[in-house]
Amino acid sequence: DAKTTQPNSMESNEEEPVHLPCNHSTISGTDYIHWYRQLPSQGPEYVIHGLTSNVNNRMASLAIAEDRKSSTLILHRATLRDAAVYYCILRDVRGSARQLTFGSGTQLTVLP
Amino acid sequence: GEEVAQTPKHLVRGEGQKAKLYCAPIKGHSYVFWYQQVLKNEFKFLISFQNENVFDETGMPKERFSAKCLPNSPCSLEIQATKLEDSAVYFCASSPSPGTGGHEQYFGPGTRLTVT
Repeated sequence: DAKTTQPNSMESNEEEPVHLPCNHSTISGTDYIHWYRQLPSQGPEYVIHGLTSNVNNRMASLAIAEDRKSSTLILHRATLRDAAVYYCILRDVRGSARQLTFGSGTQLTVLP
Repeated sequence: GEEVAQTPKHLVRGEGQKAKLYCAPIKGHSYVFWYQQVLKNEFKFLISFQNENVFDETGMPKERFSAKCLPNSPCSLEIQATKLEDSAVYFCASSPSPGTGGHEQYFGPGTRLTVT
């Protein structure tokens, strides 16, 4: 799987939007962009995924650059509960039964 | 069930002892994955199953680690002769068949293994 690059840490104020960036310059045409997060003392949790178009769900939005070499996870109003490590992961659509390859992720701190 | 269940939550073993961890995947999910998280953000894939068959075992330290997923039983991960370096949180995840649109993996709460 292609590699992703994320900042080690970010801070946000409660109730403000958060934009978590991810670079994936070697992404292939069949790679989906997935985001998972890991809350303290819990297992990772699926957040969102997309291929080319921007995606929205109840948890977040995913904005994908036109060239697909980068993407941004958007939390529209951060809450204290959103403090977690956020992982951007590429998965080949042809291998969706394969394991996830986690990078080091971004530690998001939400300030009250 | 609708959640991946893992038991026990915590397990303490003396070096050299055996450790056995259990995972009940979400009912209807065909794939089961085991991951090891040693340091806070570092995940290592161990093994995956498609139903009761090993799908990918490229991450398994085969000399001491073994795993099974038998029909009508929880999946298990067993470590013979544990070492200090095996201390980690072990996560199990399950996912539906890709053909059913299953992109996501659903993770359990993990088992924290401490080897003393």
